[in-house]
Amino acid sequence: KAGVTQTPRYLIKTRGQQVTLSCSPISGHRSVSWYQQTPGQGLQFLFEYFSETQRNKGNFPGRFSGRQFSNSRSEMNVSTLELGDSALYLCASSESGANVLTFGAGSRLTVL
Amino acid sequence: AQSVSQHNHHVILSEAASLELGCNYSYGGTVNLFWYVQYPGQHLQLLLKYFSGDPLVKGIKGFEAEFIKSKFSFNLRKPSVQWSDTAEYFCAVNPQNSGYSTLTFGKGTMLLVSP
Repeated sequence: KAGVTQTPRYLIKTRGQQVTLSCSPISGHRSVSWYQQTPGQGLQFLFEYFSETQRNKGNFPGRFSGRQFSNSRSEMNVSTLELGDSALYLCASSESGANVLTFGAGSRLTVL
Repeated sequence: AQSVSQHNHHVILSEAASLELGCNYSYGGTVNLFWYVQYPGQHLQLLLKYFSGDPLVKGIKGFEAEFIKSKFSFNLRKPSVQWSDTAEYFCAVNPQNSGYSTLTFGKGTMLLVSP
């Protein structure tokens, strides 16, 4: 069974640009969550999607958005990038009704 | 809202030493508890979890954790660490019956095991 796949793995952007990150969950998993990991703040929850609906959201500004498609794949978008958005963005998936998250390798974003 | 506190940010041990990493959470209700591990250059992996039942849970690679409800604690232990246990360890909680899979993580403990 393939794991959680995130693309791209690495990317470099400049301030003011926007970025879209993609996540393909484990086959059969309908819940997808996104987390931001930084050395200073650790792992912080961004959003959680289930069946194309956002069912929980963390305390991030509106520049951070996401969506989930009918095949459970998910994307997150960050607009008007700031230096502080440099981080590892992790996607995780879980089965319906389960609370065990399986994480992908992450997308490492560097904002210059 | 819940929060998680991990007592040590960095721990250095010699091989064969015993390990205990502290984790305390703050939440008024019943929680699911997790320990995840992130080996250098690898993705976050589940080490063990507690949902209910026996408060002593065993995970992969010889790790175990004990849930003490009265202390709101879920400490991770291993009797004898190996060099390959060098990694960052994260404690996490999820309120039971919340309808979400959302985890609240501690800041992590970096474990360095010297050979």
